[in-house]
Amino acid sequence: AQKVTQAQTEISVVEKEDVTLDCVYETRDTTYYLFWYKQPPSGELVFLIRRNSFDEQNEISGRYSWNFQKSTSSFNFTITASQVVDSAVYFCALSEAGARKSTFGDGTTLTVKP
Amino acid sequence: DAMVIQNPRYQVTQFGKPVTLSCSQTLNHNVMYWYQQKSSQAPKLLFHYYDKDFNNEADTPDNFQSRRPNTSFCFLDIRSPGLGDAAMYLCATSRQGYAYDEQYFGPGTRLTVT
Repeated sequence: AQKVTQAQTEISVVEKEDVTLDCVYETRDTTYYLFWYKQPPSGELVFLIRRNSFDEQNEISGRYSWNFQKSTSSFNFTITASQVVDSAVYFCALSEAGARKSTFGDGTTLTVKP
Repeated sequence: DAMVIQNPRYQVTQFGKPVTLSCSQTLNHNVMYWYQQKSSQAPKLLFHYYDKDFNNEADTPDNFQSRRPNTSFCFLDIRSPGLGDAAMYLCATSRQGYAYDEQYFGPGTRLTVT
C-alpha cells in the first residue's frame, strides 16, 4: 500500500529565511508520480509540481526547488528567501501507475512571519 | 478563466437534515473527485467519477452519495448529516485521471452541522 509521510506538522520561520519541507513516501510500484500542492488560507489546493519515478533531476522554479531522491524515498521542497505569502499548508501526494487517485500526506503548515 | 466552482462556500445544516453540495467545472475534465477535509488533516477521498463511472472508496459511509448528471456538474449529497460530518468538502477534477494528471481543486464548501 502506498503511504506519504510529512513528519513536520508545523514550521515557523521569519521572512527571508530558507525552509525545507520534508516528504517521505512508500510504494511497491516502480512507476509512480509525486506531487506538491499548496493550500493557502482561502482553502483551494493549488498544484505546484509533479515528478515521475524515473526522473530524479532536481527542479527549480524561482524561489522554489524540489529534491527527489529515490534512495531515501524522499521528495523534499525548499523555499528560498521565504515570504509572508508563502504561509500555507503544503501537501505532498503520491499516485501509483494505473491509479486515478492520489494519496496525500497530512500536510505541513508553514507560517512565515514578517 | 477555466476553473472549478463550488457552491455554496459555507453551508449550515441541522443534524439529520439532508444537504447537497454542488461543484461545477469549466475545464472539461473527465474525472471529478469529492474530498472531505477536517482541520489539520489531509483531504480524504470520498469517491470519484471517471466520466459517468462512479467509484466509491471502501470506507466512505453510506450516508454520502454523489451524482454527476453531466460532464460539468457533480453533487455531494449527505443524507443525514451528523456532527462528525462537519468539515470542508473539496471538489477536484483531473484531465483523464491518469496517475500523472494533477488535480484542480475548487475553493471548498465549509459545512457546519448544528
